[in-house]
Amino acid sequence: GENVEQHPSTLSVQEGDSAVIKCTYSDSASNYFPWYKQELGKRPQLIIDIRSNVGEKKDQRIAVTLNKTAKHFSLHITETQPEDSAVYFCAATSGSARQLTFGSGTQLTVLP
Amino acid sequence: KAGVTQTPRYLIKTRGQQVTLSCSPISGHRSVSWYQQTPGQGLQFLFEYFSETQRNKGNFPGRFSGRQFSNSRSEMNVSTLELGDSALYLCASSVDQGPWEQYFGPGTRLTVT
Repeated sequence: GENVEQHPSTLSVQEGDSAVIKCTYSDSASNYFPWYKQELGKRPQLIIDIRSNVGEKKDQRIAVTLNKTAKHFSLHITETQPEDSAVYFCAATSGSARQLTFGSGTQLTVLP
Repeated sequence: KAGVTQTPRYLIKTRGQQVTLSCSPISGHRSVSWYQQTPGQGLQFLFEYFSETQRNKGNFPGRFSGRQFSNSRSEMNVSTLELGDSALYLCASSVDQGPWEQYFGPGTRLTVT
């Protein structure tokens, strides 16, 4: 089955700096890669996603890149703000399945 | 549209008991997936239901089961509870065709004592 590894497990940045979180996946058939943000005590919130036919996608301060050859994808947050502090999860799935395999999460702390 | 809702939000059960959790998807969403979230194992897929049929199942014992009703609402059941079943149980709904985005409910926090 699919295996998703996520790094780093913790990340601290100064407000205004950029943050990058990286994930690798094992199943070359995976074709959908979402990112979720989970604040303490809250539900995971879908913040951006990318499909395998696209190399990069941006939404304001957030971007995701995908390298199918290397089987890795990354989340980029620019101009970080304290409200970006949360746990971020990457995930992968293949075909039409709704079975997401999640990475272990990254605790992002944005220091004011 | 109203988001995904789950009831109850909190539960405390004793080892050996059984529990039923409920999930109401976003209106128009016909796929419901369940996940278990624990500090040690992270987010793990339990199963997915569409049109009252289980389409996918994760690597959990048979004590974990679920079902979906004709209105797309779903329930999951855990029988013979163990201490290790203490977790946040999340359901997520999605439109079956087109976008694959899954939207999560607030979860049910189950504590087994």
